[in-house]
Amino acid sequence: TAGITQAPTSQILAAGRSMTLRCTQDMRHNAMYWYRQDLGLGLRLIHYSNTAGTTGKGEVPDGYSVSRANTDDFPLTLASAVPSQTSVYFCASSLEGRTEAFFGQGTRLTVV
Amino acid sequence: GIQVEQSPPDLILQEGANSTLRCNFSDSVNNLQWFHQNPWGQLINLFYIPSGTKQNGRLSATTVATERYSLLYISSSQTTDSGVYFCAVENRAAGNKLTFGGGTRVLVKP
Repeated sequence: TAGITQAPTSQILAAGRSMTLRCTQDMRHNAMYWYRQDLGLGLRLIHYSNTAGTTGKGEVPDGYSVSRANTDDFPLTLASAVPSQTSVYFCASSLEGRTEAFFGQGTRLTVV
Repeated sequence: GIQVEQSPPDLILQEGANSTLRCNFSDSVNNLQWFHQNPWGQLINLFYIPSGTKQNGRLSATTVATERYSLLYISSSQTTDSGVYFCAVENRAAGNKLTFGGGTRVLVKP
């Protein structure tokens, strides 16, 4: 079972460019999340989706957008990257938002 | 929102030693998970434990929801236990989304 897959694994991006981080899960989980983890810190929620067609803002949403066109995919878009968005990004999913959450392997993004 | 505090922030162990990690949270929760982030950055699910006690090999966890804390026990530690241990909680007031503590960084020396 693939579980939850993120792509790319890592990326170097020029400031001002746009990028979409991809996240796909095959567990039919209705809830999906995007977190960022900065060096030496815990994970902070960027955006979430409780079900296909709905999204919500987390703790640090500025500069990011998401969409949830179907159950399996939850892409995260940086419209115009800035160096402060250099971080490791984790996608996660869970069933109904109140059960065990599972995380992808992360995407390491460096904005220069 | 809910606050999650983990202690200690850093822990150095000699291989074979036992240790206890603590997670305190500021409000009632309907979900609590412990994760291990290995040196390669992967987040490994250890326990889903909103209440009660669970054991998995050398690891065990106890959550006392009424007193708003959880403990993770590592027995007979091994070098492969090194990494960062995170506690994360969900509660209804926060819309059922996981909020992470700051983590405990563990180094097990051979």
